[in-house]
Amino acid sequence: GAGVSQTPSNKVTEKGKYVELRCDPISGHTALYWYRQSLGQGPEFLIYFQGTGAADDSGLPNDRFFAVRPEGSVSTLKIQRTERGDSAVYLCASRRGSGRGRIGELFFGEGSRLTVL
Amino acid sequence: SQQGEEDPQALSIQEGENATMNCSYKTSINNLQWYRQNSGRGLVHLILIRSNEREKHSGRLRVTLDTSKKSSSLLITASRAADTASYFCATSRYGQNFVFGPGTRLSVLP
Repeated sequence: GAGVSQTPSNKVTEKGKYVELRCDPISGHTALYWYRQSLGQGPEFLIYFQGTGAADDSGLPNDRFFAVRPEGSVSTLKIQRTERGDSAVYLCASRRGSGRGRIGELFFGEGSRLTVL
Repeated sequence: SQQGEEDPQALSIQEGENATMNCSYKTSINNLQWYRQNSGRGLVHLILIRSNEREKHSGRLRVTLDTSKKSSSLLITASRAADTASYFCATSRYGQNFVFGPGTRLSVLP
């Protein structure tokens, strides 16, 4: 597609359930980022992929959070045993190019709003 | 932890006035970017300034960067009601992990 696509746009789940959020980046973009944004806050970095591998997962809050990008395109953010504190908008962004010295803008999706009851 | 910190947290101006937002950061960077977010939407890139640049213009936007003070400013001239949004700065060292600040919420009153 023309832009970054995220599904679902809204997800309501119960505490303790498992959730998957999907991100379809812009075709050809090698870098993919997941951020989490709470109301009134800036995006909080979770994980960054370069191709299929996680280049930096230092932002994942704990081992309940996991993300994959098996073919270097679509990525799935997986949250196990959800907690009420996981409620937020999860943003995905992609960027053309890779490696040091290559600077480019991030293209964001519209986000997946997760509500944990 | 977030590296960028925008100032002010909220700004309310009249249409036609200029809006200035500031961003401070803590460690060395090789580029700084400004993004805009309308309520309930994703972020949209506005402008990028590299560490060896001091000023950059794009339409009604003017960005400055002072690496000695580790700060940047975003000026929106002749503001319009449609400029109402949140504005974020994002810093990056090697174009890898982008760190965002908490944002400035701009309200432009008609």
